[in-house]
Amino acid sequence: DAGVTQSPTHLIKTRGQQVTLRCSPKSGHDTVSWYQQALGQGPQFIFQYYEEEERQRGNFPDRFSGHQFPNYSSELNVNALLLGDSALYLCASSLAQRLAETDTQYFGPGTRLTVL
Amino acid sequence: AQSVTQLGSHVSVSEGALVLLRCNYSSSVPPYLFWYVQYPNQGLQLLLKYTSAATLVKGINGFEAEFKKSETSFHLTKPSAHMSDAAEYFCAVSVKTGNQFYFGTGTSLTVIP
Repeated sequence: DAGVTQSPTHLIKTRGQQVTLRCSPKSGHDTVSWYQQALGQGPQFIFQYYEEEERQRGNFPDRFSGHQFPNYSSELNVNALLLGDSALYLCASSLAQRLAETDTQYFGPGTRLTVL
Repeated sequence: AQSVTQLGSHVSVSEGALVLLRCNYSSSVPPYLFWYVQYPNQGLQLLLKYTSAATLVKGINGFEAEFKKSETSFHLTKPSAHMSDAAEYFCAVSVKTGNQFYFGTGTSLTVIP
């Protein structure tokens, strides 16, 4: 059973450029969340996608956008890159909530983005 | 609003000694609590979770955590540290609706031989 996969593993960009990161959820999962983890910090929630729509969003600017495809995979796009966008970007997948339960999020290995 | 505080950004223990990593949460509704471990240059791996069933939760690799509502705590323990336990540990809180996770800033565990 394949877990959460992300691509690419590493990426180097320059300020002002745009980047697209990709995520394939764990088999059977339909919800994808994206997190930014700066060096030495805990992950910060960017947004969550379910049924191809953004369901929730954290405190990130509109430069961060995403998409979910019919097969539940997802992309994270960041425009006009800043030095401060350098971080590990983590994708997590889960099942949509059922009744009163919250579902465990399973994380991928992350994409290390370096902005020069 | 939900938040997590992890006391002690760095913890060092001797091999074979007790591991205690502290986590306190704030939540306006009954929380769901998680501990994740992160090894260098890797993603997060779930250690254990509390979802309103038993207050003492057992996880992988010999770790366990106890939910104490009166203390708003969810501390992680392991009776005997192993060298392979050296990693970054994150506590996270979620709620029933939305499933957004709020993470603490992490605790780096060093195991001294």
